[in-house]
Amino acid sequence: KNEVEQSPQNLTAQEGEFITINCSYSVGISALHWLQQHPGGGIVSLFMLSSGKKKHGRLIATINIQEKHSSLHITASHPRDSAVYICAVRSPDSNYQLIWGAGTKLIIKP
Amino acid sequence: DAMVIQNPRYQVTQFGKPVTLSCSQTLNHNVMYWYQQKSSQAPKLLFHYYDKDFNNEADTPDNFQSRRPNTSFCFLDIRSPGLGDAAMYLCATSSSGGAGDTQYFGPGTRLTVL
Repeated sequence: KNEVEQSPQNLTAQEGEFITINCSYSVGISALHWLQQHPGGGIVSLFMLSSGKKKHGRLIATINIQEKHSSLHITASHPRDSAVYICAVRSPDSNYQLIWGAGTKLIIKP
Repeated sequence: DAMVIQNPRYQVTQFGKPVTLSCSQTLNHNVMYWYQQKSSQAPKLLFHYYDKDFNNEADTPDNFQSRRPNTSFCFLDIRSPGLGDAAMYLCATSSSGGAGDTQYFGPGTRLTVL
């Protein structure tokens, strides 16, 4: 079993829909990251969470440390949100290594 | 804008012909990372520098080397590329590597080995 599990693996939705991507982890962590990767490779860090909730524009990320679960929400989704969204956690045992989820491929249709 | 820059974006090399990928940053971050990402897989950390201190991951092949001549620049040298080394290579930086650190990624260099 992977230490970081994401669901769904693939998600196709219509423009304007509310999107939720989930991440569950089985290790103790010091922080959880949500990242976005567009076709062509570059990765953008969206959020770093250690507790609670963060919001940036149409993106909202939450984490429940007790349940070892995080969600990434996109409100009013747009075709430009189409990308792979990756959850990665930082283990307290490693300052530099991230444990990566497999990613969720999101396609938003106009 | 402060950023992480990788050159070239696409690199083609021949089997066994040494190749160097470059990364530069204007963030003045202490830590620089090199990742290898193969198709549909998560990025795999090859090594990182904290300032001039080099840290190699245990399973990084000897074929991969790195240099960091100054704070701004870091290079990935692949001494004898094999077909299995074809991948996206991502450079990232972070301020200190601490628990609350965010990694900032470059756009990546896609390496093709013929």
